[in-house]
Amino acid sequence: AQKVTQAQTEISVVEKEDVTLDCVYETRDTTYYLFWYKQPPSGELVFLIRRNSFDEQNEISGRYSWNFQKSTSSFNFTITASQVVDSAVYFCALSETPRASGTYKYIFGTGTRLKVLA
Amino acid sequence: EAQVTQNPRYLITVTGKKLTVTCSQNMNHEYMSWYRQDPGLGLRQIYYSMNVEVTDKGDVPEGYKVSRKEKRNFPLILESPSPNQTSLYFCASSPNSGRARGWSDEQFFGPGTRLTVL
Repeated sequence: AQKVTQAQTEISVVEKEDVTLDCVYETRDTTYYLFWYKQPPSGELVFLIRRNSFDEQNEISGRYSWNFQKSTSSFNFTITASQVVDSAVYFCALSETPRASGTYKYIFGTGTRLKVLA
Repeated sequence: EAQVTQNPRYLITVTGKKLTVTCSQNMNHEYMSWYRQDPGLGLRQIYYSMNVEVTDKGDVPEGYKVSRKEKRNFPLILESPSPNQTSLYFCASSPNSGRARGWSDEQFFGPGTRLTVL
């Protein structure tokens, strides 16, 4: 069965600290897709990044970086020099290979609440 | 403006009184989905739809119905709401055009509907 685990329920850091949010997934599919979404206090869900299972390149976007390791089934998210505006709940998600019917689901983790203190 | 809209945004109802939460997207997306968000449980997919007249169960479909008669609309129906359906509900849509090209499109989320069933 597909599963996404975000073991860190809540993390608090002081502004300018670096922080890593962990995401571990389980799937039997050889082709799958991983995502990170951000949910700020205002409540909307904002897409951050996607990654295909066959593309293990890490990615950096400004202060954000993502480390995808198939060997450990992890897709971790690091914020460098955190800011108060980074305070949010962050969700990791997995989407599977389509079934024979062509349909596919999304599985989200339980989220990590990040609090960045000034 | 490209968006996913949900109505109502807030709803308080009583057990057993049928209700419908509407969802509409103006991006011509094929894939649409409903999620519920509960503390400690993250986002869980209720139902999804690959296209008009094609719907399938997510991980928590019990007590819900959906229909997809038009591409832009994907209403969520609670025939006989119960208190355990009190939750924050999100509708999402996605182009579903990337899979053939080796990636999975991100989902665009609506603003959420906070439902309380007394």
